[in-house]
Amino acid sequence: DIQMTQSPDSLSASVGDRVTITCRADQRIGKYLNWYQQRPGEAPRLLIHAASRLQNGVPSRFSGSGSGAEFTLTVSSLQPEDSATYFCQQSYSSINTFGQGTKLEIK
Amino acid sequence: EVQLVESGGGLVKPGGSLRLSCAASGFNFNTYTMHWVRQSPGKGLQWVSSISGGSDYMYYVDSLKGRFTISRDNAKNSLYLEIHSLRPEDTAVYYCARGEDYYDYTGYFYPGLDHWGRGTLVTVSS
Repeated sequence: DIQMTQSPDSLSASVGDRVTITCRADQRIGKYLNWYQQRPGEAPRLLIHAASRLQNGVPSRFSGSGSGAEFTLTVSSLQPEDSATYFCQQSYSSINTFGQGTKLEIK
Repeated sequence: EVQLVESGGGLVKPGGSLRLSCAASGFNFNTYTMHWVRQSPGKGLQWVSSISGGSDYMYYVDSLKGRFTISRDNAKNSLYLEIHSLRPEDTAVYYCARGEDYYDYTGYFYPGLDHWGRGTLVTVSS
């Protein structure tokens, strides 16, 4: 199975900050990379698909980039409601896998 | 409106079996690949299995193959997951999710999970 590794495991930032989360695959996966947000007590929500395409209804402060084996999720100006755990997922293989998650806390 | 509602979770003894269900509505169920994803308490997401719209293709994470069986009934707009020989480490919230294919201008498509249910909790304990 393709292994996905996110960094950092957690981070704390202030409202208005720009934050970046990295996701690395242990093999090249093209642009078959999705990002999800999960708030406490809720189901995951798709934010970004195909590495850089914003899902309908997702605020434009979220963006994704990368291809091959290294990807980033950026929040350009952090809002209180962005406090959540973020997961990357590869869909290159029919056996999908997720990263371990990055917990984002608002100071 | 797309809705996915899981059911069938509960407290089960180690070695027992369970059948989870996911009732879908608001879309043409038989044209979508469906997935199961689980999350152990306080842990990350683990993709479990998927099944194509016509049940032609089924995939499982290697570590769970043999104990988990995915199926669907398109006439009932329902997705299922049977779990056998349950272990304490199977304790988790089990989510069903709809697979969507996103096409780019070159014709390539990129799968994502665009709608999720709220999940059903399975607890394996004696």
